[in-house]
Amino acid sequence: GAVVSQHPSWVICKSGTSVKIECRSLDFQATTMFWYRQFPKQSLMLMATSNEGSKATYEQGVEKDKFLINHASLTLSTLTVTSAHPEDSSFYICSVLGTPRGRNEQYFGPGTRLTVT
Amino acid sequence: TQLLEQSPQFLSIQEGENLTVYCNSSSVFSSLQWYRQEPGEGPVLLVTVVTGGEVKKLKRLTFQFGDARKDSSLHITAAQPGDTGLYLCAGAYTGNQFYFGTGTSLTVIP
Repeated sequence: GAVVSQHPSWVICKSGTSVKIECRSLDFQATTMFWYRQFPKQSLMLMATSNEGSKATYEQGVEKDKFLINHASLTLSTLTVTSAHPEDSSFYICSVLGTPRGRNEQYFGPGTRLTVT
Repeated sequence: TQLLEQSPQFLSIQEGENLTVYCNSSSVFSSLQWYRQEPGEGPVLLVTVVTGGEVKKLKRLTFQFGDARKDSSLHITAAQPGDTGLYLCAGAYTGNQFYFGTGTSLTVIP
């Protein structure tokens, strides 16, 4: 499977500031990446699909102006949480879409823990 | 919106016991994946199933995809403490997006 990294692994910021999270595909070129959010004791919720060279596709209920996604290269997608508030505190996880066996499979990064104070 | 329901939500068993986790939806999947997630880490892919009725085995884990491709199950034989974790199913409907189930938190007690 693909090797995916995220940076930072954890971040603490003050309410009202913006935070950028990077997702890198280390060993293959990823046209499509996904961003998920996970609250404690809960499952992953898909936030958006990040497509290289085009605008991201956001899931219903996810504010595109608050969660800015940039997929400027085949190995890097970034998620910027703008004007963060305590309710944005969560575990943010990215994944890379690959087709190693002729079918869609996704490989996840290690996640970024965001705490907004 | 959680389109996939998993049951049970929590499961605590003794080492050596067997267990089954279910993943159900009213929609048809083009493919379905099972993951295990450790606290503070990203999910790790266990298996992908694509054909209705398909059964896959991974050591002590047996995965089954329903004939109608609306449900799936994960059976673990002789559970070990190392099996402890959050088990997640994720289904793809159309397109590339995968939507996760509600999750099953498994604890295997030594």
